[in-house]
Amino acid sequence: DAGVIQSPRHEVTEMGQEVTLRCKPISGHNSLFWYRQTMMRGLELLIYFNNNVPIDDSGMPEDRFSAKMPNASFSTLKIQPSEPRDSAVYFCASTLMGGVEAFFGQGTRLTVV
Amino acid sequence: GENVEQHPSTLSVQEGDSAVIKCTYSDSASNYFPWYKQELGKRPQLIIDIRSNVGEKKDQRIAVTLNKTAKHFSLHITETQPEDSAVYFCAASDGNNRLAFGKGNQVVVIP
Repeated sequence: DAGVIQSPRHEVTEMGQEVTLRCKPISGHNSLFWYRQTMMRGLELLIYFNNNVPIDDSGMPEDRFSAKMPNASFSTLKIQPSEPRDSAVYFCASTLMGGVEAFFGQGTRLTVV
Repeated sequence: GENVEQHPSTLSVQEGDSAVIKCTYSDSASNYFPWYKQELGKRPQLIIDIRSNVGEKKDQRIAVTLNKTAKHFSLHITETQPEDSAVYFCAASDGNNRLAFGKGNQVVVIP
């Protein structure tokens, strides 16, 4: 397995534009997490899914953020409209339910200018 | 939800000395406590984990201890080496599989 795959690796966009980040979890994993990493806040949990169902989205900062998981092999995180303060590295991670190792993707470095 | 706190935020140690990072958690239902290491520009990767039915676990130069009563757990790195320099994250997972991380500790090993 190639591991958790995120795309794009880097994204530079103008304020007000829509941004879509993509994640392909490890095959067979049934939990998927979206995190945002900044120097000030560390690794913030934005939302997580169990068996494709959103369980906790309390970490999503605003209504501008939305996430979907239409099937077990794909998830998206969308920001619309984007703002400069959204600039961060966004990580996707997947795991098997039951408290075992979570595997992270390479991350997407988002810059909103 | 679970609130995980780490301290100190930055730790500098001489090569060969030990480093200890402490974390506290808030949710007594949490039962799985992993530690991740993140090198500059890379993704976090698991280095050791412990479950709530165990008090201590060792793997070569690293060890983790858990005090369920006090809701804190610690990472111990002995005989530190320059390659141990990184950001270390503790995390806690509850019965719903929610995995919450602390803010991270920057560990600097001085040669």
